[in-house]
Amino acid sequence: EVQLVQSGTEVKKPGESLKISCKALGYTFTDSWIGWVRQVPGKGLEWMGVFFPGDSDTRYSPSFQGQVIISANKSITTAYLQWGSLKASDSAIYYCVKSGPDGWTNAFDVWGQGTTVTVSS
Amino acid sequence: IQMTQSPSSLSASVGDRVTITCRASQGIGNDLAWYQQKPGKVPHLLIYGASALQSGVPSRFSGSGSGTDFTLTIRSLQPEDVATYYCQKYNRVPWTFGPGTKVEIK
Repeated sequence: EVQLVQSGTEVKKPGESLKISCKALGYTFTDSWIGWVRQVPGKGLEWMGVFFPGDSDTRYSPSFQGQVIISANKSITTAYLQWGSLKASDSAIYYCVKSGPDGWTNAFDVWGQGTTVTVSS
Repeated sequence: IQMTQSPSSLSASVGDRVTITCRASQGIGNDLAWYQQKPGKVPHLLIYGASALQSGVPSRFSGSGSGTDFTLTIRSLQPEDVATYYCQKYNRVPWTFGPGTKVEIK
């Protein structure tokens, strides 16, 4: 079964750094884009960016470029989303997503369970 | 490229045919997906390639369109279809989502 298993809830203070993770299971990790989608509670879905583990190509939304870093370690089939200095406005649910369902379609056919990040002083 | 959806919300009766529209500000070919997010749940893929039904999705859902105008149709609305529906383009970065359409039962 194809799954994306995300790390747990985080509560941080403004200015702190954070790295959340997404473990990919059940498919060839290097064959699909893996990325992140943000959802502020009560709001819509925001595409943040994607990483292609096959060649480390990384693409960001202009809204998130310079604000976060998306990376992955293909040896352990895990993707990451990291912040250097969190703001209260980063409080949201972050979903890990995989492109598919075939090799030439970049819809998101598998979603992780979501990681809730709360940034508060 | 901006993505818009209409309506932003709708209320319909069980058994009704429901249509949601998604428009791209520039042509995107067929590179459009639809997602369903039930309250408090993770979104999941319904349609990709504008009209291809994702495995496991009920056949009452269908998608159509190409270029700039796309439609998601629920042939006979069921109580379990209460959700917010999002379109998303993926032809070129950024793979933007539409703002969503909330569907409720009347």
